[in-house]
Amino acid sequence: AQSVAQPEDQVNVAEGNPLTVKCTYSVSGNPYLFWYVQYPNRGLQFLLKYITGDNLVKGSYGFEAEFNKSQTSFHLKKPSALVSDSALYFCAVRDKGSGAGSYQLTFGKGTKLSVIP
Amino acid sequence: GAGVSQTPSNKVTEKGKYVELRCDPISGHTALYWYRQSLGQGPEFLIYFQGTGAADDSGLPNDRFFAVRPEGSVSTLKIQRTERGDSAVYLCASRIGGRDTGELFFGEGSRLTVL
Repeated sequence: AQSVAQPEDQVNVAEGNPLTVKCTYSVSGNPYLFWYVQYPNRGLQFLLKYITGDNLVKGSYGFEAEFNKSQTSFHLKKPSALVSDSALYFCAVRDKGSGAGSYQLTFGKGTKLSVIP
Repeated sequence: GAGVSQTPSNKVTEKGKYVELRCDPISGHTALYWYRQSLGQGPEFLIYFQGTGAADDSGLPNDRFFAVRPEGSVSTLKIQRTERGDSAVYLCASRIGGRDTGELFFGEGSRLTVL
């Protein structure tokens, strides 16, 4: 079974400061990893993904994430937070292994990011 | 359309009633997913279609839930004898088939409230 843990329900950061939203995962094989963002009353929007290759992945809106296999982590980062980054962030994982179930994307509970002006 | 379209955006029903939720995926996307998101939780997988067939329905909570995609495009999630615990936002997502590394594109969801 695959799972995702987002240990922080909420992260507060001052505008202009760097931000980190934490994610750890568990899969039986190798992972595909994703970050999504959800603004109020909106659908989930894709931010970035790790499939293979460089452990540092860059995505939309200046976000990036670092895949760390030994720590089974995929933390989301941004060098300088904006008030408009305030939203709900979800980490998700899929197992690269074969089989119908491997197409399931499993999400964490989400982390609410509040950027304070 | 340009994105995944879900209707209705809001549905209020009474316990025991039947409900249908519709999803129109992005044109050309052969993979379609249904998820359920309860308050304060992440999306929970329900079912995955590749074309017309349900390739994985292991997330459906019980036999009151059923989904179809008869022509490989629009999908309908059907809930029989609704219960208060079914109240949630039901999300539909689609992906280009054959690119299994591709990200999912989500609709804005159908909020179901069972009174």
